[in-house]
Amino acid sequence: EVQLVESGGGLVQPGGSLRLSCTASGFTFSSYEMNWVRQAPGKGLEWVSHISNSGSTLYYADSLKGRFTISRDNAKNSLYLQMNSLRAEDTAVYYCVRGHGSSWYVFDHWGQGTLVTVSS
Amino acid sequence: SYVLAQAPSVSVAPGQTARMTCGGDNIGGKAVHWYQQKPGQAPVLVVYDDSDRPSGIPERFSGSNSGNTATLTINRVEAGDEADYYCQVWDSSSDHWVFGGGTKLTVL
Repeated sequence: EVQLVESGGGLVQPGGSLRLSCTASGFTFSSYEMNWVRQAPGKGLEWVSHISNSGSTLYYADSLKGRFTISRDNAKNSLYLQMNSLRAEDTAVYYCVRGHGSSWYVFDHWGQGTLVTVSS
Repeated sequence: SYVLAQAPSVSVAPGQTARMTCGGDNIGGKAVHWYQQKPGQAPVLVVYDDSDRPSGIPERFSGSNSGNTATLTINRVEAGDEADYYCQVWDSSSDHWVFGGGTKLTVL
């Protein structure tokens, strides 16, 4: 069974930093593209970032303006999101999401999410 | 950047057919995917590549895509289908993924 478990969320002050982690199990992590998607309270889904299976290709949403960095450690079956210069508008549930094999642009499995709250 | 438009809400009686649309410029030329999200839960993929269903998704769920509109159809709607539904595409011109704003399906 595919499992994606996020951790690292919490309360942080504006301008602060946070590192989210996602631990994967139930599949060969190194073979799959991965993503982060967020959802602000009461709002819709927003794609945040993508990383290829090897980690060589990275994409980011324009709204992040270079503040976030996605990475992965295939030996540890783990995906990360380093978030710097956090703003109130970054408050959201952050989901770790797997790409669908050969249809890598499809999001086929989602974690339960971790809540990030940016507030003083 | 590419924009997807969804109606905020759709209401349907149990046993009837629900149709939710997703509008975008020449969306028929893109692959559209649909996600179901129930309150307090993570999204679940229900249709991908316009009309394919992942394993475990009932045949009542189907999709189509042509011109400027993609459609998710749920036949014989059940109370358990009540959820928010999001369409999504990958915009190859920007290497960005785009979600629609979501449609809340209410089962009367």
